[in-house]
Amino acid sequence: DGGITQSPKYLFRKEGQNVTLSCEQNLNHDAMYWYRQDPGQGLRLIYYSQIVNDFQKGDIAEGYSVSREKKESFPLTVTSAQKNPTAFYLCASSKVFTGGNIQYFGAGTRLSVL
Amino acid sequence: GQQVMQIPQYQHVQEGEDFTTYCNSSTTLSNIQWYKQRPGGHPVFLIQLVKSGEVKKQKRLTFQFGEAKKNSSLHITATQTTDVGTYFCAGRSSGTYKYIFGTGTRLKVLA
Repeated sequence: DGGITQSPKYLFRKEGQNVTLSCEQNLNHDAMYWYRQDPGQGLRLIYYSQIVNDFQKGDIAEGYSVSREKKESFPLTVTSAQKNPTAFYLCASSKVFTGGNIQYFGAGTRLSVL
Repeated sequence: GQQVMQIPQYQHVQEGEDFTTYCNSSTTLSNIQWYKQRPGGHPVFLIQLVKSGEVKKQKRLTFQFGEAKKNSSLHITATQTTDVGTYFCAGRSSGTYKYIFGTGTRLKVLA
């Protein structure tokens, strides 16, 4: 079954703790993305990666970090510097990073602060 | 920076009524995409519009791209309960491959 797998589905973070959200895709896509979704708001881009071993900051990168060591994997770390991390996090991928790219989304991870 | 706004934020309709959501960009777009997110789900791609004035149809859904390529609309004819969800537009300006998502319109259909 081809697709994007995000885990865990729900995650709780204690104050001062770093947490890592997993995103794996078996679509053989070059580009991958992380978005944050808050109630009543659209999706905001955190980080994106056009190709393995490369990534760029999106619009709200502060307090987050990523890595892209493998084509299939694009984990997102929410650091303690992110003071308001409670949100729905969506990972997406597209075949390439071009103008007409269609993004395919994972099922998301809901992060809450204890 | 580029902003993409959608109106209305919420819409409740009776089943069988029509529904329209509007997407407005602060900058001229190269192309625009529409996604649907079911309650508790993730966004799913619906369609992409590229040309000025373009109109595309998918069964009961009609998508339009404005002549100035700064706005777009999605119209659903005779809504059904399966249309429930949040509809997002995502616009791309020239010179970038990043998409800016609109704020979304949440549609509820009352049976």
